[in-house]
Amino acid sequence: ELKVEQNPLFLSMQEGKNYTIYCNYSTTSDRLYWYRQDPGKSLESLFVLLSNGAVKQEGRLMASLDTKARLSTLHITAAVHDLSATYSCAVGLQGRDDKIIFGKGTRLHILP
Amino acid sequence: ETGVTQSPTHLIKTRGQQVTLRCSSQSGHNTVSWYQQALGQGPQFIFQYYREEENGRGNFPPRFSGLQFPNYSSELNVNALELDDSALYLCASSFPGMNTEAFFGQGTRLTVV
Repeated sequence: ELKVEQNPLFLSMQEGKNYTIYCNYSTTSDRLYWYRQDPGKSLESLFVLLSNGAVKQEGRLMASLDTKARLSTLHITAAVHDLSATYSCAVGLQGRDDKIIFGKGTRLHILP
Repeated sequence: ETGVTQSPTHLIKTRGQQVTLRCSSQSGHNTVSWYQQALGQGPQFIFQYYREEENGRGNFPPRFSGLQFPNYSSELNVNALELDDSALYLCASSFPGMNTEAFFGQGTRLTVV
């Protein structure tokens, strides 16, 4: 059974600081997703990572994937208050049902 | 905007009742997946529909059932509602393949009292 673990689950940080969220998964996968979710809202797709060594960047967020270590990271550079949200990684299993398994999410609170 | 729409946005039901939630998929997407997200938790996979047939199921009891229509829209039905069914229900549409990206609707907040 595929398990996806994120850490930390809660993170409070000052504006201007850098930090990294880690996502470990237990079984070989062919794709990894990062989503942002604001309170009471749905999931907004941030990145889709498809291959070992893949790195994608959008603004202050950068995601990377190491399929051999079964690890993805989401790095936040010079955080700003607007980035406060829950960030979830999810791992895809291509197969009969093509489903996505989510981690619990990391609740990020950025202090002004 | 993802092009995936869900209705209703909020719903309050009594324990034991039945509920139907609806999802219209993004244009061109023939696969719809349903997820349950309890407060403070990540989304849990309920099931997926592909071309009108159930294409996989998570660890949910049979009282959770679904349909997909020829236009690829979908319904999630829950019978005999329990208090623990209170959650945000999300649907995601996608098109199967290696570069599959799932786009989520805004969700339906179900409260069972």
